[in-house]
Amino acid sequence: DGGITQSPKYLFRKEGQNVTLSCEQNLNHDAMYWYRQDPGQGLRLIYYSQIVNDFQKGDIAEGYSVSREKKESFPLTVTSAQKNPTAFYLCASSDVGLAGGIYNEQFFGPGTRLTVL
Amino acid sequence: ILNVEQSPQSLHVQEGDSTNFTCSFPSSNFYALHWYRWETAKSPEALFVMTLNGDEKKKGRISATLNTKEGYSYLYIKGSQPEDSATYLCAFRSNFGNEKLTFGTGTRLTIIP
Repeated sequence: DGGITQSPKYLFRKEGQNVTLSCEQNLNHDAMYWYRQDPGQGLRLIYYSQIVNDFQKGDIAEGYSVSREKKESFPLTVTSAQKNPTAFYLCASSDVGLAGGIYNEQFFGPGTRLTVL
Repeated sequence: ILNVEQSPQSLHVQEGDSTNFTCSFPSSNFYALHWYRWETAKSPEALFVMTLNGDEKKKGRISATLNTKEGYSYLYIKGSQPEDSATYLCAFRSNFGNEKLTFGTGTRLTIIP
């Protein structure tokens, strides 16, 4: 089945350690996104990529890094510089331009809950 | 950062009753407004994309309206069922940087059997 997978579902790390969250899609979408959700807040955009080997900062990129070496994959690294990394992280993908019907519906993965101890 | 607000934050509705909630967004530089349903332990799922002022969309018992001039959208659920329990998210897409969505905080709907 086509879709987006995120692993692991739950992740625990010690403070000061970098951690990488996986996101893979087999929808042949060009664009991929990372969001963060905290209690009482909407989904906030961390980074996004519209094409392989290119990505842009979202609204809350500080303390995070990404890579886009393959169309299917968009891993997110939460670095030790991120002051409050405990959160729920969602990955999404979409077509771009006319391929997505112009309005480029985003499809979401199941999320990873990261807890930093 | 664009301001997208949803109200109420949470809502309890008796099974069989109808309900509605609101999404407010900037009235300038409008490109599109998306509605998603997010059930517990599942991924957010697209409901509607709305683009024109006065748009009305319907999917089964769920419908939505759009007013771009005043910057709001309503989501209506007719005859609520337990399976409607979810968080409903709206997301605004601006003319500038329209590859990005700005999400509201969501309305958490619980249907009481």
